[in-house]
Amino acid sequence: QVTLRESGPALVRPTQTLTLTCTFSGFSLTTSGVCVNWIRQPPGKALEWLARIDWDDDKYYSTSLKTRLTISRDTSKNQVVLTMTNMDPVDTATYYCARMLLSGSYGGNFDYWGQGTLVTVSS
Amino acid sequence: NFMLTQPHSVSESPGKTVTISCTRSSASIASFYVQWYQQRPGSSPTTVIYEGNQRPSGVPDRFSGSIDSSSNSASLIISGLKTEDEADYYCQSYDSTNQVFGGGTKLTVL
Repeated sequence: QVTLRESGPALVRPTQTLTLTCTFSGFSLTTSGVCVNWIRQPPGKALEWLARIDWDDDKYYSTSLKTRLTISRDTSKNQVVLTMTNMDPVDTATYYCARMLLSGSYGGNFDYWGQGTLVTVSS
Repeated sequence: NFMLTQPHSVSESPGKTVTISCTRSSASIASFYVQWYQQRPGSSPTTVIYEGNQRPSGVPDRFSGSIDSSSNSASLIISGLKTEDEADYYCQSYDSTNQVFGGGTKLTVL
């Protein structure tokens, strides 16, 4: 079955770089139409999409955060890594990775989600 | 970037029907599929509607989706409300480069 699991630090200091890893199983990120996304949710607030990496290694980023984000993959390890630079307390959130099966070229349904990992930014 | 606007909260009684709207700020709502997610406290979101009106297996047919091009909006309709439907609901759509979520709607079943 499809599973995704996020891992990374629970606490990050302001100005530091956050590195999160999504380890998945039950599917291949080289299968046409498959992509893995990062999404975050500040406490008590809405979901916010961050980045996506596709089966063909195309990458997409949130317009508002693109200067701070890098997404990459290791297909041999079934992992997707997100880095976010210059962390700030407003970046405190639960970070999720989620699989998407593309409907056409541009988007689709986030059909499987990890359980999320809470990242707190504080000095 | 475009925005998806949802009501902050809705409430209804068990057994009744509730509709949650999601209005797209630019580009036609019909041009890109809309998904709906249910999120209970402490849990990850799960899909209740995808591609506008499709239900994943395991989602009861009390959940349905529609779009209205005249108001450029999508709707999630939940009929025969049950207390277990109480949750936050998010719409989601996209354009050529971005995925966007609505601000979420808290459904209270009282």
